[in-house]
Amino acid sequence: AQKITQTQPGMFVQEKEAVTLDCTYDTSDQSYGLFWYKQPSSGEMIFLIYQGSYDEQNATEGRYSLNFQKARKSANLVISASQLGDSAMYFCASIYNFNKFYFGSGTKLNVKP
Amino acid sequence: DSGVTQTPKHLITATGQRVTLRCSPRSGDLSVYWYQQSLDQGLQFLIQYYNGEERAKGNILERFSAQQFPDLHSELNLSSLELGDSALYFCASSVSGGTSGGHRTDTQYFGPGTRLTVL
Repeated sequence: AQKITQTQPGMFVQEKEAVTLDCTYDTSDQSYGLFWYKQPSSGEMIFLIYQGSYDEQNATEGRYSLNFQKARKSANLVISASQLGDSAMYFCASIYNFNKFYFGSGTKLNVKP
Repeated sequence: DSGVTQTPKHLITATGQRVTLRCSPRSGDLSVYWYQQSLDQGLQFLIQYYNGEERAKGNILERFSAQQFPDLHSELNLSSLELGDSALYFCASSVSGGTSGGHRTDTQYFGPGTRLTVL
């Protein structure tokens, strides 16, 4: 079974608009972590944001926020005020199931000027 | 800069050869992970070490091996290289290596990667 699902292979967003990248996970664990990473065309993997399963508030890091809906098992990344430099591949990841780390297949975001 | 270093940055070699990729984790991190990312592909988990011991194994070929040394740096050895081994190889490190039940200390920080080209 797919542990992390990102259903949007590619997305476009207009510069300065907000965009939501979808991510769902599959676990019955009570304790787990959720992560988002950015991979620009240069190749490096950049950690963006973390959400713990027991955190009651949605995580925020600057223009990034994580829309955590526990009952739906979703952990969507919201990027506000998109910039051209946000064009990249975005990976959702989680750790659960006896501490195994799972990555989604990624969403390629293109920000249009 | 994540604090994880990888050398070399680029490597070009021929089929049948053997190469060694090196990784130094962030200061204080005990766990090292290795990943392979082929062109336009997602991340394939290869292997994880925690404080010198192998912790988890993924889709690592028998031609590949790794180890973590007492100073916590790690090396990934790739032998009998094939054209299909051309990829970006990442090392990542974390503090708790998945032992904290999803706590922030399980966050993996990635190195810049080694781009391997097999001709």
